[in-house]
Amino acid sequence: DGGITQSPKYLFRKEGQNVTLSCEQNLNHDAMYWYRQDPGQGLRLIYYSQIVNDFQKGDIAEGYSVSREKKESFPLTVTSAQKNPTAFYLCASTDSGRTYEQYFGPGTRLTVT
Amino acid sequence: EDKVVQSPLSLVVHEGDTVTLNCSYEVTNFRSLLWYKQEKKAPTFLFMLTSSGIEKKSGRLSSILDKKELFSILNITATQTGDSAIYLCAVVPNTGNQFYFGTGTSLTVIP
Repeated sequence: DGGITQSPKYLFRKEGQNVTLSCEQNLNHDAMYWYRQDPGQGLRLIYYSQIVNDFQKGDIAEGYSVSREKKESFPLTVTSAQKNPTAFYLCASTDSGRTYEQYFGPGTRLTVT
Repeated sequence: EDKVVQSPLSLVVHEGDTVTLNCSYEVTNFRSLLWYKQEKKAPTFLFMLTSSGIEKKSGRLSSILDKKELFSILNITATQTGDSAIYLCAVVPNTGNQFYFGTGTSLTVIP
């Protein structure tokens, strides 16, 4: 089955620690995205990548970093510089050559205390 | 600055009611508008609209786009408790691959 996997589903960290969220897709999609969602709010774009080894900042990139070394993988690191890291993080991908429909992973809920 | 605004932010209705959710946008070089339903976790795709005035329909849900007035509506008729969710609207411009999401409308359907 094709799709996007994110792991882990729930993640707990102490303040001051960096943490990396995994996102893998086997849809052969070119573009991948990271969003953050806070309670009662929509999705805010953190970073996106249209091709391997290239990525762009979204609206709220401060305190986050990404890499795109492989087409299938787009990990997100939440650094200690991120002031309010506790949130629900969604990864998505798009086959930009066709429908532009965005496919989402199941999400990772990060809690930092 | 490109933006997408959804209204209302939240809505509580009784089963059987009809609801209309709104999405207005200011995005240069518009390509498409998408509606998603989000229950507990990942959003699931509902509709993609690219042409003005053409209604997309799936069961009790329907959506239409007005490119002149820069908005879309999502209608849900005969609502059921299973329709309770956050409904997200996203707009995709012609340039680049960035999706602009609205804040969502939280719909609660009570029996």
